Amino acid sequence: NAGVIQTPRHKVTGKGQEATLWCEPISGHSAVFWYRQTIVQGLEFLTYFRNQAPIDDSGMPKERFSAQMPNQSHSTLKIQSTQPQDSAVYLCASSLLGGQDTQYFGPGTRLLVL
Amino acid sequence: EQQVQQSPASLVLQEGENAELQCSFSIFTNQVQWFYQRPGGRLVSLLYNPSGTKQSGRLTSTTVIKERRSSLHISSSQITDSGTYLCAMEDNNAPRFGAGTKLTVKP
Repeated sequence: NAGVIQTPRHKVTGKGQEATLWCEPISGHSAVFWYRQTIVQGLEFLTYFRNQAPIDDSGMPKERFSAQMPNQSHSTLKIQSTQPQDSAVYLCASSLLGGQDTQYFGPGTRLLVL
Repeated sequence: EQQVQQSPASLVLQEGENAELQCSFSIFTNQVQWFYQRPGGRLVSLLYNPSGTKQSGRLTSTTVIKERRSSLHISSSQITDSGTYLCAMEDNNAPRFGAGTKLTVKP
């Protein structure tokens, strides 16, 4: 079991470009979470899917950020028109049942917007 | 408003000493988890403790819902326990994390 897989591990984009981050949850897990981690803000919740359906996206910036889970084996986080303040480590986690269950985190994607 | 407060922000111990980490919440919650992260490493779930006392090896967590707090006790600390400990609560399905306690255990 490789655990939660995130690709790419590192991404550098220019200001205004689009970035797409991928997450493959642990097989059989019904819930997928996206977080953003920075030194200043710490770990921030972005969005949450259960059985591929969006449950809570209250942490997502309303503009430029979107997340999808087209099938049970992967989820994507897309950032349009990236800005330097989007630079962070983006973490994906999955759990068997949802929020009331142990979350397993991926290694993260380190995004740097120049 | 910071919904999850952790203290202390940092803690330095000698190997073998015990550590007590605190977490307080702005709302009543029965969904509390403790996580650990080594520098550059993955976040790892340590304990899920909605209420009462839970133990896992040298880790003991106590959550008191009516007082909106949870603690993590690490007994006989080891150098490899060094890292950041985060607590999280669930607020309407959305996990909210504290800023963490950075623990350094020295030989």
